[in-house]
Amino acid sequence: EAQVTQNPRYLITVTGKKLTVTCSQNMNHEYMSWYRQDPGLGLRQIYYSMNVEVTDKGDVPEGYKVSRKEKRNFPLILESPSPNQTSLYFCASSLSIGTAYYNEQFFGPGTRLTVL
Amino acid sequence: TQLLEQSPQFLSIQEGENLTVYCNSSSVFSSLQWYRQEPGEGPVLLVTVVTGGEVKKLKRLTFQFGDARKDSSLHITAAQPGDTGLYLCAGVAGGTSYGKLTFGQGTILTVHP
Repeated sequence: EAQVTQNPRYLITVTGKKLTVTCSQNMNHEYMSWYRQDPGLGLRQIYYSMNVEVTDKGDVPEGYKVSRKEKRNFPLILESPSPNQTSLYFCASSLSIGTAYYNEQFFGPGTRLTVL
Repeated sequence: TQLLEQSPQFLSIQEGENLTVYCNSSSVFSSLQWYRQEPGEGPVLLVTVVTGGEVKKLKRLTFQFGDARKDSSLHITAAQPGDTGLYLCAGVAGGTSYGKLTFGQGTILTVHP
């Protein structure tokens, strides 16, 4: 089944404890992206990757790191989480985001993170 | 930073009514996408509009991209309770920010039977 998987789905942690949220897609997609969703703010892009070894900042990259060493994986790293990073996080992938016909983003199920 | 203002934020209507959701920006986008999101799930793409002035129809939903590719609208005709959900617009940047997406704040639509 074609899908984007994220782990963990739920995580409660404490301030300063490094964590990684994994994201994997099995559709051979070039493009991958991370978003956070907060009430009243819609989705905000954290980082995106047009292809392997290519990553760029979205609108809210502070406090986050990513890497794209393989096409299928795009982990999100919080080196020192803080309470303002409590949010719902989504990973997404697309065959080719900028084209007219292959730009559909497929979203993972989400990771609900709470930082105490 | 590109901004995409989506309105209204909340819409509560009766079954059979028509409605329009707007997304406006001062920035030009290479394309604009509309998503629908159900509680507890990720957004699902409804449509992408690419050309200025483009109109796309998906059953009772009509999507339009502004001539200058800075704004878009979603019109639902004869809304049904099954249309209830969160609707999101997203602009795809071009040029040096190619691949960057900006989402609107979302419109929570509730259609009462």
